[in-house]
Amino acid sequence: EVELLESGGGLVQPGGSLRLSCVASGFSLSRYWMHWVRQSPRRGLEWVTRMKSDGSIVSYADSVKGRFTVSRDNAKNTVYLQMNSLTVEDTAVYYCARDVRSDTRNYFGGSSSHWGQGALVIVSS
Amino acid sequence: EIVLTQSPVTLSLSPGERATLSCRASQSVSIYLSWYHQKPGQPPRLLFYDASNRASAVPARFSASGSGTDFTLTISSLEPEDFGFYYCQQRDKWPLTFGGGTKVEIK
Repeated sequence: EVELLESGGGLVQPGGSLRLSCVASGFSLSRYWMHWVRQSPRRGLEWVTRMKSDGSIVSYADSVKGRFTVSRDNAKNTVYLQMNSLTVEDTAVYYCARDVRSDTRNYFGGSSSHWGQGALVIVSS
Repeated sequence: EIVLTQSPVTLSLSPGERATLSCRASQSVSIYLSWYHQKPGQPPRLLFYDASNRASAVPARFSASGSGTDFTLTISSLEPEDFGFYYCQQRDKWPLTFGGGTKVEIK
């Protein structure tokens, strides 16, 4: 059974940093695009970042570019989201998500069939 | 950025009724549109991807169609577990974007 388990959320002051982790099980992480999507009442659902199966292609939403960094360790079955210079606008539930199909040449991913339960990040003074 | 507009915003229906949800894109997304269902406190659940490809374990009462800028999700006969929020999402161009959602509520 495919499972994604996020951790690392919490309360942080504006300007602070957090690192989210997503441990994957039940599938081979090295075969899939992985994504981080966040959701807040103010901004709705927002696709934060995507990373190709081998890490060779990464995309970021403009709202986080230069502040967030996604990475993966396929050997540890883990995806990370390093979040720096956090603002109140970054307050949200952050979901780790796996792409619906395994990666192939010329595929850019973007539909997520498996999601974690979410990690709540609150940025507040 | 591609904007997805969902209508109606709220749909009030009784169990057993037919639900028709619409998603319109600000420019063509080809067939690269997905539909998700979300209940409070849960992550979104993928229903369809690439316009009409049914995700795993999605019941046959759900169907999806469309291409270009106009897409439709249909639930032929609502079950109690179908209530909640429905979102469309495009993967044709980065940034990937979601629609604002349709709330399907019990009448």
